[in-house]
Amino acid sequence: SAVISQKPSRDICQRGTSLTIQCQVDSQVTMMFWYRQQPGQSLTLIATANQGSEATYESGFVIDKFPISRPNLTFSTLTVSNMSPEDSSIYLCSVLTGVGEQYFGPGTRLTVT
Amino acid sequence: DQQVKQNSPSLSVQEGRISILNCDYTNSMFDYFLWYKKYPAEGPTFLISISSIKDKNEDGRFTVFLNKSAKHLSLHIVPSQPGDSAVYFCAASGDSSYKLIFGSGTRLLVRP
Repeated sequence: SAVISQKPSRDICQRGTSLTIQCQVDSQVTMMFWYRQQPGQSLTLIATANQGSEATYESGFVIDKFPISRPNLTFSTLTVSNMSPEDSSIYLCSVLTGVGEQYFGPGTRLTVT
Repeated sequence: DQQVKQNSPSLSVQEGRISILNCDYTNSMFDYFLWYKKYPAEGPTFLISISSIKDKNEDGRFTVFLNKSAKHLSLHIVPSQPGDSAVYFCAASGDSSYKLIFGSGTRLLVRP
């Protein structure tokens, strides 16, 4: 398994602003992912964070809205840009272990007012 | 179109009894299935997984069964404990992409 931390754990932000969420892993991992869980819904993959190259986004998510950085094998950031109330969600990073399981961070609970 | 479905939004069982959580999928390319448990205000915790080459995997009180012909998997928890009360998500991946597609979750309540 892997120990994953996220910062901040929660935040309340104003409409139109941006928030950057950090994800730190205690060991080097090949693949990191960012998910979103909107209120009352399941988890949806936003993008795969690729080390040294641009992230791979899922349908419905774009780089301008959710820019992602992955400077090394233990760290990634997700920015939620130009926020609106519809962006209020829990944002989670996950890492893929060698055996194929994904382990999740504790999540960042974002509320946009 | 939901590729992974958990049709029961909630389940209530007595402590000590068996909990059975069900999950159906539609994409025949899925070849790896996982179950996660989630408490409020926490990230999902990995419980158990199964590859499509198997039909059963056990880990302590948790057993996952896979029926490929029916595109159905289930998680059995026995005996159930009050600490098992949480939302359980099944997830699937396939085609070597490692991307997880999640079901909508089932809220399990284990009554003392």
